[in-house]
Amino acid sequence: GAVVSQHPSRVICKSGTSVKIECRSLDFQATTMFWYRQFPKQSLMLMATSNEGSKATYEQGVEKDKFLINHASLTLSTLTVTSAHPEDSSFYICSASVSGAQETQYFGPGTRLLVL
Amino acid sequence: AQTVTQSQPEMSVQEAETVTLSCTYDTSESDYYLFWYKQPPSRQMILVIRQEAYKQQNATENRFSVNFQKAAKSFSLKISDSQLGDAAMYFCAYRSAKGTYKYIFGTGTRLKVLA
Repeated sequence: GAVVSQHPSRVICKSGTSVKIECRSLDFQATTMFWYRQFPKQSLMLMATSNEGSKATYEQGVEKDKFLINHASLTLSTLTVTSAHPEDSSFYICSASVSGAQETQYFGPGTRLLVL
Repeated sequence: AQTVTQSQPEMSVQEAETVTLSCTYDTSESDYYLFWYKQPPSRQMILVIRQEAYKQQNATENRFSVNFQKAAKSFSLKISDSQLGDAAMYFCAYRSAKGTYKYIFGTGTRLKVLA
């Protein structure tokens, strides 16, 4: 149980375009989902906390207009990188907490974004 | 603010031997959760073990066990009978029992398993 999927697993796009990444909880409902960014050989950096039906809470230094997060249902959250630039190239990981037992986060397999 | 420190950037262990990964944290809270996650080369984060601070008994999951020292704010992970598949980055994480549900991660320890 507690499986989280991400789509796509990798994406290459041109500078200036927007990219949407989906995060789904497959076998549970997730009131809260999280979006992380991970640079090579570094730890995970929390970008934002996403609660179903409300606006995401962004961490300090994360541009909310650049990284749009939508959590429209209890099983789906999306991250849209708008007007992507090469410096946005990174590994993006989502996680989800089971509604009613939110201590533990279950992670998706990640999305590798390369902006040319 | 809470912090998590993993002082060992890299560790090596011989196959079938035992290794201990260190994690210390700083908090003024009394109720919280601690986790160890494994990130193999696939980069999929996998939950290894979880500990509730209010429980005195150390958590165990098969070959994985923790030594939770609340007063010392220490949460080490012991891997027994190490296997080649244990090679990965290991992250320690802290989560408060109240407020937001976000994790605070350590910087990670890379574990190499030698055949």
